[in-house]
Amino acid sequence: KNQVEQSPQSLIILEGKNCTLQCNYTVSPFSNLRWYKQDTGRGPVSLTIMTFSENTKSNGRYTATLDADTKQSSLHITASQLSDSASYICVVSAPMANFGNEKLTFGTGTRLTIIP
Amino acid sequence: EAEVAQSPRYKITEKSQAVAFWCDPISGHATLYWYRQILGQGPELLVQFQDESVVDDSQLPKDRFSAERLKGVDSTLKIQPAELGDSAMYLCASSFTGSVGETQYFGPGTRLLVL
Repeated sequence: KNQVEQSPQSLIILEGKNCTLQCNYTVSPFSNLRWYKQDTGRGPVSLTIMTFSENTKSNGRYTATLDADTKQSSLHITASQLSDSASYICVVSAPMANFGNEKLTFGTGTRLTIIP
Repeated sequence: EAEVAQSPRYKITEKSQAVAFWCDPISGHATLYWYRQILGQGPELLVQFQDESVVDDSQLPKDRFSAERLKGVDSTLKIQPAELGDSAMYLCASSFTGSVGETQYFGPGTRLLVL
């Protein structure tokens, strides 16, 4: 069964500090891996998307890494800000046979809280 | 910037009642998705449309849930009758063609509470 596991479940850090969130997956075949940010009560917003051949991608203070051999990914946040408080969801894609579409498997997310 | 619109934002209903949610995707997006997100979990796909056709509804509880996208634009998700376990956030998302690697844009969601 395709699964995406994230750790830690929750994390509290001081404003200005860095942090790293982890994602392990068993999805196969693999197409791409995404990180989403979800503010409380809102829909997820895409941060990064990486294919099999990419091992790092940045979006401002967010840097995602991918090791397709070990099926692990991480999201590193640099110089955290209060607005970074949110849930961060790892999403792994597998290609579908019909229409050339893909099926996404979502992790349960890491709840990040930044305190002043 | 174009956004996915959903309404209502919040809905409280009693069990055994019928509820309906509406979604208007980003203009020009052919693919539309309905997800259910239980508190503390990741979203789970309920149904995916390509234009007006259902691509995947394998996780949709068809005895009580129905979804339609008659003209291939906006969509309605209905639950009848609602059960206590249906309390969750219902998210709508859209993408341009639904091709592999395309970004899905999510709406703000409809939070449903069944009493």
